[in-house]
Amino acid sequence: KQEVTQIPAALSVPEGENLVLNCSFTDSAIYNLQWFRQDPGKGLTSLLLIQSSQREQTSGRLNASLDKSSGRSTLYIAASQPGDSATYLCAVKGGGSNYKLTFGKGTLLTVNP
Amino acid sequence: GAVVSQHPSRVICKSGTSVKIECRSLDFQATTMFWYRQFPKQSLMLMATSNEGSKATYEQGVEKDKFLINHASLTLSTLTVTSAHPEDSSFYICSAPPSGGVTDTQYFGPGTRLTVL
Repeated sequence: KQEVTQIPAALSVPEGENLVLNCSFTDSAIYNLQWFRQDPGKGLTSLLLIQSSQREQTSGRLNASLDKSSGRSTLYIAASQPGDSATYLCAVKGGGSNYKLTFGKGTLLTVNP
Repeated sequence: GAVVSQHPSRVICKSGTSVKIECRSLDFQATTMFWYRQFPKQSLMLMATSNEGSKATYEQGVEKDKFLINHASLTLSTLTVTSAHPEDSSFYICSAPPSGGVTDTQYFGPGTRLTVL
């Protein structure tokens, strides 16, 4: 059974700081990995999707990496802003016939002005 | 990007009543939709896969007679929580892959907060 762990559970940083969020998964047989943002009481916004054959994806100030063999992914946020404050969720989609998303519990990020 | 809506966004009901939650894909067709449940400070947990024109597939531990799913059209799936109890209080989120294929990225609805008194 796939398990996804996100560290840290919460992170508070001053505005402008670069930061890294970590995600690990137990079964490396994944189809892809996706990072989401969730604002309080809201749905999910997809940030980056990395296919199993890819190493990283970039979008603006965000960069996500994937090391499938070691079961790890990182989300790098450059020059953080107060508007980045949210919960960041990592999810993996199983390979083979199991196309289901398994989520981590998320990292609650607070960027202080 | 693709848009998924949910209705209602928030519902409070008495124990023993049934509650229906709608999930709509607004600008694309979705032969498959997914229903998740999220308890406070917990992961989203997949409850069931909704398939247009056929029966839903439920995850282990999810009671299909309690959580009724109907995917009657290519843009609408409904989740009915029957005889709701306080332990059913949660945040329910649906998602859909825009092409209808399960290998694509999924777009999520804004969620429905259910509180059962």
